[in-house]
Amino acid sequence: GNSVTQMEGPVTLSEEAFLTINCTYTATGYPSLFWYVQYPGEGLQLLLKATKADDKGSNKGFEATYRKETTSFHLEKGSVQVSDSAVYFCALMNSGYSTLTFGKGTMLLVSP
Amino acid sequence: EPEVTQTPSHQVTQMGQEVILRCVPISNHLYFYWYRQILGQKVEFLVSFYNNEISEKSEIFDDQFSVERPDGSNFTLKIRSTKLEDSAMYFCASSERTSGDGELFFGEGSRLTVL
Repeated sequence: GNSVTQMEGPVTLSEEAFLTINCTYTATGYPSLFWYVQYPGEGLQLLLKATKADDKGSNKGFEATYRKETTSFHLEKGSVQVSDSAVYFCALMNSGYSTLTFGKGTMLLVSP
Repeated sequence: EPEVTQTPSHQVTQMGQEVILRCVPISNHLYFYWYRQILGQKVEFLVSFYNNEISEKSEIFDDQFSVERPDGSNFTLKIRSTKLEDSAMYFCASSERTSGDGELFFGEGSRLTVL
């Protein structure tokens, strides 16, 4: 079956630090991969996605590369801001289906 | 910007009571979903709904659960007789299309506490 594993949080960083949140997956076939973000008091929002191997998704300074050989989709940002404080969810969706399989979520706390 | 709205934001209920969680999806979306997240655990898929019928459901979605689109705008999740283990955050989502790269738009969630 499908599963997503992401690093435990919270991740605590100072402003302008480099961010990595690890995500690995298990899936049949060739899934699409997603990072969703949930800011305090809001719903989950799509942050970025990649639909095939070696694709790089990017948005708001965040990047993640679909690595089929390591079944990973790690989220990175070169310089985090306080406003990036949120919970980040890695997820996958198998081709032809519409259901997402999520990880547990990783809380990011950025201090000034 | 269009958004998915959910009510109530928080509901406290006694075990055995019926609960209805309401969602208003984005107006031109055709696919609707419920997910839930028990505290400290993964966000889990419950059910998807298209063309007035369930298209997929997980093993969590047993006979105690039902979904309905009673009018052109609302999408509801009913839990017939709540159990303690139903305490969770319930997320509604909608999408324009179903495909491997389709984007789901989520609401803020409804927190259900069963006592």
